Amino acid sequence: QQQVKQSPQSLIVQKGGIPIINCAYENTAFDYFPWYQQFPGKGPALLIAIRPDVSEKKEGRFTISFNKSAKQFSLHIMDSQPGDSATYFCAAEITGNQFYFGTGTSLTVIP
Amino acid sequence: DAGVTQSPTHLIKTRGQQVTLRCSPKSGHDTVSWYQQALGQGPQFIFQYYEEEERQRGNFPDRFSGHQFPNYSSELNVNALLLGDSALYLCASSLPGLAGNTIYFGEGSWLTVV
Repeated sequence: QQQVKQSPQSLIVQKGGIPIINCAYENTAFDYFPWYQQFPGKGPALLIAIRPDVSEKKEGRFTISFNKSAKQFSLHIMDSQPGDSATYFCAAEITGNQFYFGTGTSLTVIP
Repeated sequence: DAGVTQSPTHLIKTRGQQVTLRCSPKSGHDTVSWYQQALGQGPQFIFQYYEEEERQRGNFPDRFSGHQFPNYSSELNVNALLLGDSALYLCASSLPGLAGNTIYFGEGSWLTVV
């Protein structure tokens, strides 16, 4: 059973566009929701994270929107650049327990 | 400051063999988790070690075992390898408690079973 469902599987945008990646979860005990970025041949790297008491968090060009009632959260990348082309994973955790990852979104930003 | 280091980076094993993967956590981290990432999938939690004990385990068979040493480094052992064990094995380190929300991944060990 997939604890965290992620969509879309792949995404192609023009440079400067705003790709949006969505995730949904069922377990209301989750209390930490990070996004990871992974380049080919590398391990995932933490990009940005949010806790459920906040509806939005912004760090640079990356923004998480969190909807607790809908049990959904999303990643927005402002002014996307070709260097943002990577695979993005959402995840959810109950603090002190394991992380559950989504299936990933392959983002391609066309120059 | 060295991050999480893993070895070997790539290896090829034959079905039925055994493999040992190694991980050194980020400096100051005492908790190590192992994940399996199949091609095109997200990482799947295998188990976590803290104070040399397995603290949590995901849905993986007993063929997957591990160990944590007093210096916090860790090993992942897989016995009786199956073709389906081919994947990227990721080690992640963290601090316990709330600080453990932030986990740092190594670059992984690519295992191919033939």
